[in-house]
Amino acid sequence: EDQVTQSPEALRLQEGESSSLNCSYTVSGLRGLFWYRQDPGKGPEFLFTLYSAGEEKEKERLKATLTKKESFLHITAPKPEDSATYLCAVLDSNYQLIWGAGTKLIIKP
Amino acid sequence: DAGVTQSPTHLIKTRGQQVTLRCSPKSGHDTVSWYQQALGQGPQFIFQYYEEEERQRGNFPDRFSGHQFPNYSSELNVNALLLGDSALYLCASSFNVGSGANVLTFGAGSRLTVL
Repeated sequence: EDQVTQSPEALRLQEGESSSLNCSYTVSGLRGLFWYRQDPGKGPEFLFTLYSAGEEKEKERLKATLTKKESFLHITAPKPEDSATYLCAVLDSNYQLIWGAGTKLIIKP
Repeated sequence: DAGVTQSPTHLIKTRGQQVTLRCSPKSGHDTVSWYQQALGQGPQFIFQYYEEEERQRGNFPDRFSGHQFPNYSSELNVNALLLGDSALYLCASSFNVGSGANVLTFGAGSRLTVL
């Protein structure tokens, strides 16, 4: 069965303290991996798409990487406004998105 | 440019009732997907509409039905509501490029509470 697991469930960091979020997956025929950000009371907002192992994408303080079994979202020198839930989703061979439960990131000033 | 708009934002129903949620996609988008998101969980795919037809469906019972109109807007209907249907219902739109990894634009959701 296709599955996406995100860890940790929650992460508290001090402002400026870099870290990484993990998204591991078991999916037949990966067609793409997506990262979204979700703020409280809002829908998810698109961040990155990765298609193949070794690919990397960057946006401001965020960098997403992909291997054959997992993806990492690295956050460098985070600011309080980076606090949100980060969701990972995988597009399977049937072109359906399988979502993880998310990592709630809290950046303390 | 308005993004995806959903209505209502919040609603409360009782068990056994029926509910209709509405979604207007982002300008230029022709495909609408509906998701259910329970508290603390990721979105669960309900179904997707393109050219006024249901193109894909997730693992949801027939109590969940939908419709897409010629202007690409969409409705989600849920009959015989259960307590477990309480959730945030998200609408997402995209531009159809055939089979592929389409980026979704989400609305803010409709928060349904079933008592």
